[in-house]
Amino acid sequence: DAGVIQSPRHEVTEMGQEVTLRCKPISGHNSLFWYRQTMMRGLELLIYFNNNVPIDDSGMPEDRFSAKMPNASFSTLKIQPSEPRDSAVYFCASSLDEAQPQHFGDGTRLSIL
Amino acid sequence: GENVGLHLPTLSVQEGDNSIINCAYSNSASDYFIWYKQESGKGPQFIIDIRSNMDKRQGQRVTVLLNKTVKHLSLQIAATQPGDSAVYFCAERETGNQFYFGTGTSLTVIP
Repeated sequence: DAGVIQSPRHEVTEMGQEVTLRCKPISGHNSLFWYRQTMMRGLELLIYFNNNVPIDDSGMPEDRFSAKMPNASFSTLKIQPSEPRDSAVYFCASSLDEAQPQHFGDGTRLSIL
Repeated sequence: GENVGLHLPTLSVQEGDNSIINCAYSNSASDYFIWYKQESGKGPQFIIDIRSNMDKRQGQRVTVLLNKTVKHLSLQIAATQPGDSAVYFCAERETGNQFYFGTGTSLTVIP
């Protein structure tokens, strides 16, 4: 089991630039989640998908954030334009279904200068 | 969302001692709970779960206790080892809703 794979592991970019985070869920998992983790707010759910369909995006902070899941093995989280306050660790997680324990990737540490 | 909070943000224990990490939850309708361990630079890792029809569940060196009356969850780690040093999160879920994560407790094991 390869686990959830996220890329890149680290990203440093200047404000205003577009940032794309990538996630490959565990094969056979039907639910995929994007989280943001900061010291101030802890782990926040941004959006989740069931069978590639976005179910709840109420955690997406602004229109600058968007997420897609074009197929069962790939998802992206995009920030455009990025701002310094977007700096955080972004996690992707997957599970067999939305009621089952989630398996997390090792995250992308994003720094916006 | 509902608030899931931890009583102790930091905990230090001697190697070999038992550790107890606590979690308070506010949604009385939550029926499924999970403990996660997060090591530095990694994502949260599933440790153990419990459903609301149980009040105790044991794993390898870990025990989760659920007290629905006072909406309290605890994680007990027996014979704590240096490798147990991490941040521990509780997560709760009400059927049909998303999981909510607590803010985490940092456990430090002193050799």
